[in-house]
Amino acid sequence: EAGVVQSPRYKIIEKKQPVAFWCNPISGHNTLYWYRQNLGQGPELLIRYENEEAVDDSQLPKDRFSAERLKGVDSTLKIQPAELGDSAVYLCASSLEGLEQFFGPGTRLTVL
Amino acid sequence: AQTVTQSQPEMSVQEAETVTLSCTYDTSESDYYLFWYKQPPSRQMILVIRQEAYKQQNATENRFSVNFQKAAKSFSLKISDSQLGDAAMYFCAYGLYQGGSEKLVFGKGTKLTVNP
Repeated sequence: EAGVVQSPRYKIIEKKQPVAFWCNPISGHNTLYWYRQNLGQGPELLIRYENEEAVDDSQLPKDRFSAERLKGVDSTLKIQPAELGDSAVYLCASSLEGLEQFFGPGTRLTVL
Repeated sequence: AQTVTQSQPEMSVQEAETVTLSCTYDTSESDYYLFWYKQPPSRQMILVIRQEAYKQQNATENRFSVNFQKAAKSFSLKISDSQLGDAAMYFCAYGLYQGGSEKLVFGKGTKLTVNP
């Protein structure tokens, strides 16, 4: 069974540029999570989806971040415009009805 | 708000020895879950062990076991017979079911080095 797939694995952009990350969860997993992991820190939840509904986006900086999960399967997280402080690893995870979360490999974003 | 504290930024252990990683948390909830996740260098995070707060018995998974002290809000991970492949960042996490799915709060992690 394929795990959580994320792309790209690495992204380097100039500040003020837009960037998007893509996540494909494990087949059949209804819950999808986006986390941000700063260097030397644990992951912090940005947004949580149950199917196509965002049930917790309280930690998402909505002035520049947006996310969507059309059709309740794969998801895209966007930052526009990116700032220097957005440099981090962006992790996607999925779970089946709230049980164990399976993580993807992450996208390492560097903003110059 | 729930918080998770890992007071050991780094730990080291000799191969085949035993090491214990510490974790404390703060919550006003009575029904929750606790986890230890492993994140090897440049590799994805995987679940090591899970504990339900309502269970008094400590969880065990092969060489990994926990010491769950609910009253003290302490949740330590013991790794027995340490192997080189155990070297990684270890994150303690607190989980609460909300709206049918699990919301995790992570600690800052402990970097474990295994010396041959």
